[in-house]
Amino acid sequence: EVQLVESGGGLVQPGGSLRLSCAASGFTLSDHYMDWVRQAPGKGLEWVGRTRNKANSYTTEYAASVKGRFTISRDDSKNSLYLQMNSLKTEDTAVYYCARTVRATSGHYYLDYWGQGTLVTVSS
Amino acid sequence: DIQMTQSPSSLSASVGDRVTITCRASQGISNYLAWFQQKPGKAPKSLIYAASSLESGVPSKFSGSGSGTDFTLTISSLQPEDFATYYCQQYNSYPLTFGGGTKVEI
Repeated sequence: EVQLVESGGGLVQPGGSLRLSCAASGFTLSDHYMDWVRQAPGKGLEWVGRTRNKANSYTTEYAASVKGRFTISRDDSKNSLYLQMNSLKTEDTAVYYCARTVRATSGHYYLDYWGQGTLVTVSS
Repeated sequence: DIQMTQSPSSLSASVGDRVTITCRASQGISNYLAWFQQKPGKAPKSLIYAASSLESGVPSKFSGSGSGTDFTLTISSLQPEDFATYYCQQYNSYPLTFGGGTKVEI
């Protein structure tokens, strides 16, 4: 059974940093691209970024709203995905989800499994 | 960036109703579109990918169609467990983008 469990959320002051983790089980993490998606309270879903797999050199993509402040990394040997968040702003307050992606025959990647999310609150 | 516009933003329906939600992309995305269901306080659940392919375990009352810029999600006979918010997402190009959501209420 595929499981994704996020942790590391909490209260942080504006300008501060936080590192989220996502523990993966039930599948081979190294085979998959992995995404982070967030949801501000009462709002819709916003894609944060993606890390490709080892075969694609672990390269990353980011939303413009977080580029230069957030960094996605992974440790396949520990079955873990990470989101390092620096220079946090109040507008980064959200539930953060990690999600697995699957490669379609077209070569594009779509999200199939999601974790339960972890809440990050940026406030003074 | 590709903008995804869902309509309606909310709808009221009854058990047994047929419900259709529309998603429009600001430019062509072929069939690189997914649909997700989210219930209050829960993580999103994947329903459909490639515009019309059902994820494993998703009941056949859900169906998707469309290509290019216009897409629909249809629930053939609404059941109590289907009351939720539904999101479309394009994965044709970065940044991936979601529609604003459609809340299906009783």
